[in-house]
Amino acid sequence: NAGVTQTPKFQVLKTGQSMTLQCAQDMNHEYMSWYRQDPGMGLRLIHYSVGAGITDQGEVPNGYNVSRSTTEDFPLRLLSAAPSQTSVYFCASSPFGWEAFFGQGTRLTVV
Amino acid sequence: QQQVKQSPQSLIVQKGGISIINCAYENTAFDYFPWYQQFPGKGPALLIAIRPDVSEKKEGRFTISFNKSAKQFSLHIMDSQPGDSATYFCAASYYGGSQGNLIFGKGTKLSVKP
Repeated sequence: NAGVTQTPKFQVLKTGQSMTLQCAQDMNHEYMSWYRQDPGMGLRLIHYSVGAGITDQGEVPNGYNVSRSTTEDFPLRLLSAAPSQTSVYFCASSPFGWEAFFGQGTRLTVV
Repeated sequence: QQQVKQSPQSLIVQKGGISIINCAYENTAFDYFPWYQQFPGKGPALLIAIRPDVSEKKEGRFTISFNKSAKQFSLHIMDSQPGDSATYFCAASYYGGSQGNLIFGKGTKLSVKP
């Protein structure tokens, strides 16, 4: 049972480039979300989804897009990367909406 | 607006000692309070959680104390071990609600010295 799988683990982007962070879960959870973690800032919610076809914004959504076409996958798209998006990104899934299971994270650097 | 305030930012404890991390929340509608543990290079993992209908919950060496009137809750790690060295996050949410409402504190980095 893999749980929540994030790819890639590390990524370096140039300012203005776009990319997609992948997240997949094999636990059949309805709820999925994306957080970013910055030093001294805790975990801040970017976007979340309560089921396939349904997404909503979190605390820091600007510069990011999401979609949820299947229960298993919840990709996060950076449209035009900026240095302020340098962070560690975590995807999480939940069976009931409050007990979150996190992936291993993607460390993103924008230069 | 920070809805969950966590302290201290860092904590150094001797092996065998008690580690105490405190959190305070603002929204009285919150009714689910989990603690997550994160090791370097890993994602956070649920450690223990409490709902406000009880004042304390214990799982092994880990205890949550909850004070509803003061809107505060704390994590106590008894007999702290070097393997407990990690970053701990408190959080608050609405039981049964959308995961989008899971609000985290800023974290406490715990170091347990041998």
